Amino acid sequence: AQTVTQSQPEMSVQEAETVTLSCTYDTSENNYYLFWYKQPPSRQMILVIRQEAYKQQNATENRFSVNFQKAAKSFSLKISDSQLGDTAMYFCAFMNRPQGETSGSRLTFGEGTQLTVNP
Amino acid sequence: KAGVTQTPRYLIKTRGQQVTLSCSPISGHRSVSWYQQTPGQGLQFLFEYFSETQRNKGNFPGRFSGRQFSNSRSEMNVSTLELGDSALYLCASMSWDARVERHNEQFFGPGTRLTVL
Repeated sequence: AQTVTQSQPEMSVQEAETVTLSCTYDTSENNYYLFWYKQPPSRQMILVIRQEAYKQQNATENRFSVNFQKAAKSFSLKISDSQLGDTAMYFCAFMNRPQGETSGSRLTFGEGTQLTVNP
Repeated sequence: KAGVTQTPRYLIKTRGQQVTLSCSPISGHRSVSWYQQTPGQGLQFLFEYFSETQRNKGNFPGRFSGRQFSNSRSEMNVSTLELGDSALYLCASMSWDARVERHNEQFFGPGTRLTVL
């Protein structure tokens, strides 16, 4: 079974600064996806960024980027130029790469990191 | 394209009752997954349906069941409600079609907040 661990329950950052959220995972699989989801107070789960394990290049989405270390099973999220709207709970999640229509898919989530951006 | 919708958004039930939650996936998405979110247990996978078949199941008791219809809409049922079933229930849909942008990503609905008294 896969496990995902987020060791930082809470973090805070000043507006316009950079913050890094940590995530480690454990799996015996070789083909998988890693995700960061954001859940603001509205509770709507929003996908921030996705990384495919077979890709060595780190994913980036505007102000969001990841540091994917496959051997170390580490997947951290860097938020640059933090904005007040980035205040939310952030979840790291793992999903096996589906092998055809007969294989199931499920997300395994970490415990979450509550990020507060201060003005 | 419309997002994932869930109804109702809020529910209050008493112990022993049963409840049915509904989820309509993004048009064209054939996979629907359900998750339970609680402060104590975090986000836990309940089950996944694909083409009307349950193909993946989490570690929940048999009181939790679901189904999927031919139009990919899914329902989740909880019988004999317990206080511990109070949670936010999230539904997510996913496309399996490799031709679709952002396939193999789960898109979440706004959730149904269930309170059991």
